[in-house]
Amino acid sequence: QSVLTQPPSVSGAPGQRVTISCTGSSSNIGAGYDVHWYQQLPGTAPKLLIYGNSNRPSGVPDRFSGSKSGTSASLAITGLQAEDEADYYCQSYDSSLSGPHVVFGGGTKLTVL
Amino acid sequence: EVQLVESGGGLVQPGGSLRLSCAASGFTFSSYSMNWVRQAPGKGLEWVSYISSSSSTIYYADSVKGRFTISRDNAKNSLYLQMNSLRDEDTAVYYCARGGDYGGPLGMDVWGQGTTVTVSS
Repeated sequence: QSVLTQPPSVSGAPGQRVTISCTGSSSNIGAGYDVHWYQQLPGTAPKLLIYGNSNRPSGVPDRFSGSKSGTSASLAITGLQAEDEADYYCQSYDSSLSGPHVVFGGGTKLTVL
Repeated sequence: EVQLVESGGGLVQPGGSLRLSCAASGFTFSSYSMNWVRQAPGKGLEWVSYISSSSSTIYYADSVKGRFTISRDNAKNSLYLQMNSLRDEDTAVYYCARGGDYGGPLGMDVWGQGTTVTVSS
């Protein structure tokens, strides 16, 4: 069970908007740690999609946006395209009893209908 | 070109050892923290270990603490993961990833292609 909770799957038609939630707690997102998002296309390595809650690396379309509030974060994708079909992961940091950890969400599979 | 290339994966028996390497090129390796992240077959991403740019700060996931050791050689632009007492559940693709400092705003912005570790008798 992941420290950060994501929905296992989301779907949308081409052109639509979808959001993926990432729910944490007071020891990770709620402690003020930044949230990053990664896209993993089938059979490939993950790719950084959003960093520092809401920033896009060079080359990432502005159809992708991120936000953070309290103990949660969200990834929004507008104007869905077939090539957006992939697994998406949120990532943050956690300072629990067992020490500092990097933590990932369980991942969300996006299906473009 | 900024690149990370992992090597050293393979088939190993339970209880055995393996050493993974990650060769960095195209950037100033000594300026960046690094991570190992793994992905079991059909599963999500699992962080394994973090090492700061100077090796002064090291963290491990609870699942590997005491069995795995992360290290780096900045002179050789290389990152390593020594894996001992391997278990079936360590079977995964292992990625090295360049990251910002722990807790910081930068995320893991460069990833290798991964190397496969299979633990089986």
